[in-house]
Amino acid sequence: NAGVTQTPKFQVLKTGQSMTLQCAQDMNHNSMYWYRQDPGMGLRLIYYSASEGTTDKGEVPNGYNVSRLNKREFSLRLESAAPSQTSVYFCASRGPTRNSPLHFGNGTRLTVT
Amino acid sequence: AQTVTQSQPEMSVQEAETVTLSCTYDTSESDYYLFWYKQPPSRQMILVIRQEAYKQQNATENRFSVNFQKAAKSFSLKISDSQLGDAAMYFCAYRSAPNYGGSQGNLIFGKGTKLSVKP
Repeated sequence: NAGVTQTPKFQVLKTGQSMTLQCAQDMNHNSMYWYRQDPGMGLRLIYYSASEGTTDKGEVPNGYNVSRLNKREFSLRLESAAPSQTSVYFCASRGPTRNSPLHFGNGTRLTVT
Repeated sequence: AQTVTQSQPEMSVQEAETVTLSCTYDTSESDYYLFWYKQPPSRQMILVIRQEAYKQQNATENRFSVNFQKAAKSFSLKISDSQLGDAAMYFCAYRSAPNYGGSQGNLIFGKGTKLSVKP
C-alpha cells in the first residue's frame, strides 16, 4: 500500500532553473495538497486541488504552478527557481469523510543555490 | 483567519515519564477538527491523534491523549510512558469542517514543538 508517493526525494537547482515535483496517490482521494516546510515556520499551503480539473491557491502560491493531471497525480512546478524556494515540499491527499486526516508523502528536499 | 500557536519550541522528557505539549488556536467557527502530527528525523508526517470539535470526549490513542478545551481553544497532547522513539517534531493542526466557508479541508499548522527523550 504505497499511499502518497513523491519524487524526487532530493534536488539541487541553480537560480533560474525550472523543475517539476511529482506526486501520486493510490487511495482514490479527491483532494490533494502541496505544502512547504521551512525551519520555525511549520507547514504552509502552496496550492490545493479539491478534485480533478480544479486547483486553488493557498497561503504561499507565488513562484509556483500546479497541475492536477488526473485523479491520482498532482504536480508542482517551479518555473524559475529562487533561493527563497529552498525548502522541504510535501504532497498530501485527503479522503472524503468529514474527519479524514491528510496523508502525506515523504517530502522533497529542494535546495536552490 | 484561523491560527494555531505552539508556544513551546522545544521540550524534553525522561524516558518512561509523561509530557504535555501545548497548542492553542484561534477561530470563530464552531465545527472543526484538530490533529497532532509527529515528524521524526526521517521527515515523514505521521498522524498521532485527531479530535472532532463537536465531541466533548477527549480522544485517546494508546499512550497518546488530548486535553481538548473548546471554550479556551486549547488542544494539548499528553504522551504517557515516553519512549525513545517518541523523539520528534510534533505539529498541532486545525481544519475547518469541509465546505465550511469555502474550506477545502486543508490543514493550518502550528510551528511545531521539538521533543527530546532522555534515556
